[in-house]
Amino acid sequence: LAKTTQPISMDSYEGQEVNITCSHNNIATNDYITWYQQFPSQGPRFIIQGYKTKVTNEVASLFIPADRKSSTLSLPRVSLSDTAVYYCLVGGPLYSGYSTLTFGKGTMLLVSP
Amino acid sequence: KAGVTQTPRYLIKTRGQQVTLSCSPISGHRSVSWYQQTPGQGLQFLFEYFSETQRNKGNFPGRFSGRQFSNSRSEMNVSTLELGDSALYLCASSGEGVNTEAFFGQGTRLTVV
Repeated sequence: LAKTTQPISMDSYEGQEVNITCSHNNIATNDYITWYQQFPSQGPRFIIQGYKTKVTNEVASLFIPADRKSSTLSLPRVSLSDTAVYYCLVGGPLYSGYSTLTFGKGTMLLVSP
Repeated sequence: KAGVTQTPRYLIKTRGQQVTLSCSPISGHRSVSWYQQTPGQGLQFLFEYFSETQRNKGNFPGRFSGRQFSNSRSEMNVSTLELGDSALYLCASSGEGVNTEAFFGQGTRLTVV
């Protein structure tokens, strides 16, 4: 499985846009990029998944350059409730037959008033 | 529909004892995975069950075992507990097909004293 590298922590203020970048130099052709969010003492929650270019849903956008060696999770206008750990995962399409998620250390995002 | 339910939420055990944790997946989901989360090691994959069969196993000692029942509910068992087994144990369920996201429960906080 491709290894991922993310910043350990990031700080932001309410209302700002936050971009968290993940490096995955050894991503394989069939690998997808997935982001999860985790609050303390809760299980991770799926945010977004993509393969290339840009994906957008109601909570975030995922930007993936042509070489796919990195990806950027963009959270528009963060609020205090977005304070959490964000994990970038790289691997086969989720649950396309076999399912193991390899989590890295994640990025602790702290949003201040 | 109801989410992934894990019981109990909190548990305190003594070294040398054994413990059984339970996970009820989302209705219709046949894949159940277990993860251990500690401050030092982060989220680590334990094993995954699909239709009562273990499909994947992480790098944990044989003291960690699991099973899945015909209704997809799963249990994991840890025997001869050690202090280092203190952790948040998370269960995730998913449906089938490509790009099916994993839904996590809130976890069981196990403390070994």
